[in-house]
Amino acid sequence: DTGVSQDPRHKITKRGQNVTFRCDPISEHNRLYWYRQTLGQGPEFLTYFQNEAQLEKSRLLSDRFSAERPKGSFSTLEIQRTEQGDSAMYLCASSLAGGYRNQPQHFGDGTRLSIL
Amino acid sequence: KQEVTQIPAALSVPEGENLVLNCSFTDSAIYNLQWFRQDPGKGLTSLLLIQSSQREQTSGRLNASLDKSSGRSTLYIAASQPGDSATYLCAALPSNAGNMLTFGGGTRLMVKP
Repeated sequence: DTGVSQDPRHKITKRGQNVTFRCDPISEHNRLYWYRQTLGQGPEFLTYFQNEAQLEKSRLLSDRFSAERPKGSFSTLEIQRTEQGDSAMYLCASSLAGGYRNQPQHFGDGTRLSIL
Repeated sequence: KQEVTQIPAALSVPEGENLVLNCSFTDSAIYNLQWFRQDPGKGLTSLLLIQSSQREQTSGRLNASLDKSSGRSTLYIAASQPGDSATYLCAALPSNAGNMLTFGGGTRLMVKP
């Protein structure tokens, strides 16, 4: 079990640029989640996948945001035309499914996005 | 809409002290409640998960309790150590639908040697 892996750990970009983050979940986990965390706050849910299907999306996920999980393994989160307010830590988590909602979510170390 | 609140926002205690962190939630229709630890610049580490049918869970020096009817959970840390210094977050999973955790704002704990 190598844990949830996120890449890059830190991204600095200018306002208006597009950015893409990658998440590799724990290998046997079929659920994958994206959260956003701003400084001093708890994480806020963005979206979640079961296998390759995107099943839930938060209202926080504006049309500038898109997430994919094409083969049900790794996932990408893209932000287009970044804005200052997008500066945050983007956290990925994964869990088992199979009818058990009491499986804990395991988190990666996140990607910190800084918009100049 | 579920709201989760954690009090206090920050706590500083001397080493060896027993302490309690509080978490309250507005909607008692939860499937489970999870406690996490977050070190600076890092992701979240799951500490304890309490199912809605349970009253408490224990792991080592940690004990988490859940009272759904009053909308409260507590995390008890016994014999605190400097290595316990971190932010502690609680999160509720709704029972009606969805798999999104709703988090509190966290309690920043500092244990002084």
